[in-house]
Amino acid sequence: DSGVTQTPKHLITATGQRVTLRCSPRSGDLSVYWYQQSLDQGLQFLIQYYNGEERAKGNILERFSAQQFPDLHSELNLSSLELGDSALYFCASSVVEGGETQYFGPGTRLLVL
Amino acid sequence: GQSLEQPSEVTAVEGAIVQINCTYQTSGFYGLSWYQQHDGGAPTFLSYNALDGLEETGRFSSFLSRSDSYGYLLLQELQMKDSASYFCAVRKWSSGSARQLTFGSGTQLTVLP
Repeated sequence: DSGVTQTPKHLITATGQRVTLRCSPRSGDLSVYWYQQSLDQGLQFLIQYYNGEERAKGNILERFSAQQFPDLHSELNLSSLELGDSALYFCASSVVEGGETQYFGPGTRLLVL
Repeated sequence: GQSLEQPSEVTAVEGAIVQINCTYQTSGFYGLSWYQQHDGGAPTFLSYNALDGLEETGRFSSFLSRSDSYGYLLLQELQMKDSASYFCAVRKWSSGSARQLTFGSGTQLTVLP
């Protein structure tokens, strides 16, 4: 158990809908990262927050947005969902910005039908 | 642009030694990490190299040659539980901080009895 929690574990929704994925980092970690992993693919970096501020953006679609709240939990919002958005979404956290060790949560498995 | 290459599959027998190679091309290279992921599970951190040479952590070792843009993960005394996907990930400078990890596509290691 990494100490990073993600909810929900599974999510099934329809195309065109909007969902929110939630992540709570390890106690004391200020940095949160979001990744997308499609079937048999590597992890694609989406976005990173540090202490409430957006600090790095990867291959995140405009339909996706995220934020980190004052209590350091983070939410990833996915809207106008498409079939291709079906994937595992992981949140990771680290103590410092750009920490060499990132601790991953169990992931949210999203299925868009 | 940037790229990471690692073999898609490796098979070895219990008790053997296996080496998973990773070559990368990226600007702003800072370091190379390795993560292990069991089927559908959360990636877990294995090792990190920022300097040339070998880092040893128990049965696992990782090597980096910055001049060759090359690294490898060495797994010794293989056990069945080592069957998993192994990802190399480049840590790179982005907007003044080494905060972004770019993952390779992963190597599926199968350990046979």
